Amino acid sequence: DSGVTQTPKHLITATGQRVTLRCSPRSGDLSVYWYQQSLDQGLQFLIQYYNGEERAKGNILERFSAQQFPDLHSELNLSSLELGDSALYFCASSLTGLDEKLFFGSGTQLSVL
Amino acid sequence: ILNVEQSPQSLHVQEGDSTNFTCSFPSSNFYALHWYRWETAKSPEALFVMTLNGDEKKKGRISATLNTKEGYSYLYIKGSQPEDSATYLCAFYGDKLSFGAGTTVTVRA
Repeated sequence: DSGVTQTPKHLITATGQRVTLRCSPRSGDLSVYWYQQSLDQGLQFLIQYYNGEERAKGNILERFSAQQFPDLHSELNLSSLELGDSALYFCASSLTGLDEKLFFGSGTQLSVL
Repeated sequence: ILNVEQSPQSLHVQEGDSTNFTCSFPSSNFYALHWYRWETAKSPEALFVMTLNGDEKKKGRISATLNTKEGYSYLYIKGSQPEDSATYLCAFYGDKLSFGAGTTVTVRA
């Protein structure tokens, strides 16, 4: 167990809908990362937060947004969902988000039908 | 767009044999290089984080080296065992932590 909790584990929804994925980082970790893994794709970096502030941004779609709350948990909001958004979404955390290893959650499997 | 390249994409190795594979990354704007092991149906687990040119890390039978000037890192598995079968990911930390597509290792008993 990495100590990173992601909910829900599975999510099935329809095109056009909006969903929220939740991540609780490991106790003491200040930085949270979100990654997307689609079929035949590697881990695609979406966004990183450190202590409530956005630190780095990847190729995150405008339909997607995220935030990190004062209690350090993070949410990834996906709206106007398309079939191509179906993927495994990972959250990871690290102490400061600099040169420490990441601890990954078990992921949320999103299926858009 | 991945600027982190891993090769080969996959490899098969006989139990007991040693193997190695490569991660290439930009030689500029380097901050850290990570290696992760990802088993099927599990989440990636960290092996090493390296920050200095010439760094060498070791964990059991697995070791890694880092050359930041030429932009590559090698991961070595000595005396491969079936439990070493996994996808090995490297990740380059420049302005963000970007992962390569991985090298999938299958160890045949």
